[in-house]
Amino acid sequence: SQTIHQWPATLVQPVGSPLSLECTVEGTSNPNLYWYRQAAGRGLQLLFYSVGIGQISSEVPQNLSASRPQDRQFILSSKKLLLSDSGFYLCAWSADLPNYGYTFGSGTRLTVV
Amino acid sequence: TQLLEQSPQFLSIQEGENLTVYCNSSSVFSSLQWYRQEPGEGPVLLVTVVTGGEVKKLKRLTFQFGDARKDSSLHITAAQPGDTGLYLCAGASLALSGTYKYIFGTGTRLKVLA
Repeated sequence: SQTIHQWPATLVQPVGSPLSLECTVEGTSNPNLYWYRQAAGRGLQLLFYSVGIGQISSEVPQNLSASRPQDRQFILSSKKLLLSDSGFYLCAWSADLPNYGYTFGSGTRLTVV
Repeated sequence: TQLLEQSPQFLSIQEGENLTVYCNSSSVFSSLQWYRQEPGEGPVLLVTVVTGGEVKKLKRLTFQFGDARKDSSLHITAAQPGDTGLYLCAGASLALSGTYKYIFGTGTRLKVLA
């Protein structure tokens, strides 16, 4: 069966520090991978998605970047965090089918102080 | 820009009551999913509806996709405290890149009181 792992679960970082959140998927190959941010328990905002190694699509201009160095690994990064980067970050994978839906990781609560 | 508006935003009801959550858009979607999310966790997929007018039942939950595939509803019968959570709808559409993207609704936070 497919599983998705996301870490760390919580993170407190000072303004201006770098960020690296990692997500890995097991049990499937060539998944579509996504990074979402959720503010205050509301809807999800798509940040990046990837359909293959090295292929990254950015949805919202921001202080973040994403990379996919391996088929089942997706990394969210920042060189210098801003206060506004605080939030709940979710990684997800999906097959490239219209009715497949997402499987989400357990999320990372990032607080920038 | 595609938007999915959910209503109500918040709902607090007593155990045993019925409720309906709505998900509306002006855009047509190829499919629509409903998720439930508990605090500190990722959303969990409940159901996917694909065909206009489709109705799916999951125990006490009934999901309906609008005929024009622009809207959906979630009806819960005899709500229980275990139904408490954030309910999210998500519509799938084909992106210019040729892959499917999912637009998430604004969310409905449900609290069922014992």
